[in-house]
Amino acid sequence: EAGVVQSPRYKIIEKKQPVAFWCNPISGHNTLYWYRQNLGQGPELLIRYENEEAVDDSQLPKDRFSAERLKGVDSTLKIQPAELGDSAVYLCASSLGQGVYEQFFGPGTRLTVL
Amino acid sequence: QKEVEQNSGPLSVPEGAIASLNCTYSDRVSQSFFWYRQYSGKSPELIMSIYSNGDKEDGRFTAQLNKASQYVSLLIRDSQPSDSATYLCAVNGDHGNNRLAFGKGNQVVVIP
Repeated sequence: EAGVVQSPRYKIIEKKQPVAFWCNPISGHNTLYWYRQNLGQGPELLIRYENEEAVDDSQLPKDRFSAERLKGVDSTLKIQPAELGDSAVYLCASSLGQGVYEQFFGPGTRLTVL
Repeated sequence: QKEVEQNSGPLSVPEGAIASLNCTYSDRVSQSFFWYRQYSGKSPELIMSIYSNGDKEDGRFTAQLNKASQYVSLLIRDSQPSDSATYLCAVNGDHGNNRLAFGKGNQVVVIP
């Protein structure tokens, strides 16, 4: 079974530029999560989708971050404009849902904002 | 108080010994508990999940949960150099919100 797929793996941009990350969850997983992980810290949830619906986006900085999950499968997370403090690893995870809570992570995208 | 605390510094253990990691959490309604292993430069990998009080064993790993004390631990028996990694404790509170709170992680170094 294929795992969670993310692209790109690395991204270097200058501040104020836009950036987008893409995620394809494990087949059949209804719940999709975007996390941000800073160095030396655990992942922090940005947004959770149940199918197409964003059910928990309370920690998403909505002034510059946006996300979508069209058709309830792939998802895109966008930052516009990026700031220096956005440098981090952006992780996508998925879980089966329907009472199954184990989350499986993709390889992540390491973002560097210069 | 942080939701999930892993306070120990880096843990060095000789090969073949037992590594013991501890985690406390603040939300009494927490229902699901997970341990993730994260190698340097890699993403977290789920290694254990535990939902009820007591011990759960999977190979060389044992998770222990005590909800009354709000405490979950991970034991790694017969530690191998390949176990050298950061171990993240994660706690899922109310299953209605299904939000995992992670600790900062504990680094384990297994010395050959």
